[in-house]
Amino acid sequence: NAGVTQTPKFQVLKTGQSMTLQCAQDMNHEYMSWYRQDPGMGLRLIHYSVGAGITDQGEVPNGYNVSRSTTEDFPLRLLSAAPSQTSVYFCASSFGQTYGYTFGSGTRLTVV
Amino acid sequence: GQQLNQSPQSMFIQEGEDVSMNCTSSSIFNTWLWYKQDPGEGPVLLIALYKAGELTSNGRLTAQFGITRKDSFLNISASIPSDVGIYFCAGQPYYGGSQGNLIFGKGTKLSVKP
Repeated sequence: NAGVTQTPKFQVLKTGQSMTLQCAQDMNHEYMSWYRQDPGMGLRLIHYSVGAGITDQGEVPNGYNVSRSTTEDFPLRLLSAAPSQTSVYFCASSFGQTYGYTFGSGTRLTVV
Repeated sequence: GQQLNQSPQSMFIQEGEDVSMNCTSSSIFNTWLWYKQDPGEGPVLLIALYKAGELTSNGRLTAQFGITRKDSFLNISASIPSDVGIYFCAGQPYYGGSQGNLIFGKGTKLSVKP
């Protein structure tokens, strides 16, 4: 099992560019989520999904879009990148909200 | 919104020492989880707690779900160099019958004493 796979591992964007961070899991988990990690801020929830076709906003959703067309994939789209979105992004999945999450290894994004 | 206060923010360990850290909140939580993050990697689940008063071990690690449901503790006994990293607590708040998403503490950074 690969677990949770995130691509790319590193990305540099110019302000205003858009891009999609990919996340895929092969554990048949219903619940998937995206977090951003900034120094001193811990992990903050961006968006989450409790199953295919269902998504909802987390704590810091502005500037990001998600969709969940399949159980396996949960891409995160940056609509118009801003320097404030420079961060490390983690995708996580679990059988449900009450269970421990499995995290991917992260995407390190720099917006210049 | 909900917040978890994790302490200490950082600590230095010498091999063989015991380590303690904790997380507290003003709100009630249904679930407490403890994660460890190594540099350049995602957090890895260490221990999950689902019941008030529950005490669970994973090797040299022991965690407890506080009896008030507002706190949790993690102890590491006889630390070794590979224990270095950032430890996060995470809790799932209870919202009067419904359950919220996990909230993470800001982490405790374990480093080796110079």
